[in-house]
Amino acid sequence: EGQLVESGGGLVQPGGSLRLSCVASGFTFGFYSMNWVRQAPGKGLEWVSYISRSGSTIYNADSVKGRFTISRDNARNSLYLQMNSLRDEDTAVYYCARDQVGATHAFDIWGQGTMVTVSS
Amino acid sequence: SYELTQPPSVSVSPGQTASITCSGDNLGDRYACWYQQKPGQSPVLVVYEDTKRPSGIPERFSGSNSGNTATLTISGTQAMDEADYYCQAWDSSTGDSSTGVFGTGTKVTVL
Repeated sequence: EGQLVESGGGLVQPGGSLRLSCVASGFTFGFYSMNWVRQAPGKGLEWVSYISRSGSTIYNADSVKGRFTISRDNARNSLYLQMNSLRDEDTAVYYCARDQVGATHAFDIWGQGTMVTVSS
Repeated sequence: SYELTQPPSVSVSPGQTASITCSGDNLGDRYACWYQQKPGQSPVLVVYEDTKRPSGIPERFSGSNSGNTATLTISGTQAMDEADYYCQAWDSSTGDSSTGVFGTGTKVTVL
């Protein structure tokens, strides 16, 4: 079935940095592209970043370009999101999500999420 | 940037049919999928590739996509279906970049 577990969230001041991690289990992590999706309190879902199976292709939402970096370590079954220059509007629950096999980019497994709060 | 628009809310009586629309320019030219999210929980994929259901998703959930509108239909709606629903598509129309796009979300209330 597969499971994703995020960690690394917390309280950070505006302009600060944070690194999120997502550990996968129950499936062959390196066979799947992965994504980060966030949800601000009381708001809808917002796609953040995508990384291909090998890590050679990366896409980012305009709202995080130049500030967030997605990466992965297939040997450690792990996905990461390095977040720099954090802003108040980055406050959200951050989910890692598995990209379904194929080219349709449906997210078939989600983690439980980790909360990031940007506040002074 | 590409946008997907959903009605903020839909109300349905138990046992009746709920239809949730998702509108975007030429949405029918790309695959749409749908997620269900209950309060305090992570989203769950309920329809992918316009019409397909993942394993474990009840048959009462179905989807369609044509023209500018994708639709999620819940037949014989049950109280447990009360949740927020989000459509999602992938936009590869901007040069060598691609982005994921979520709809604005619809709260389904079972009265």
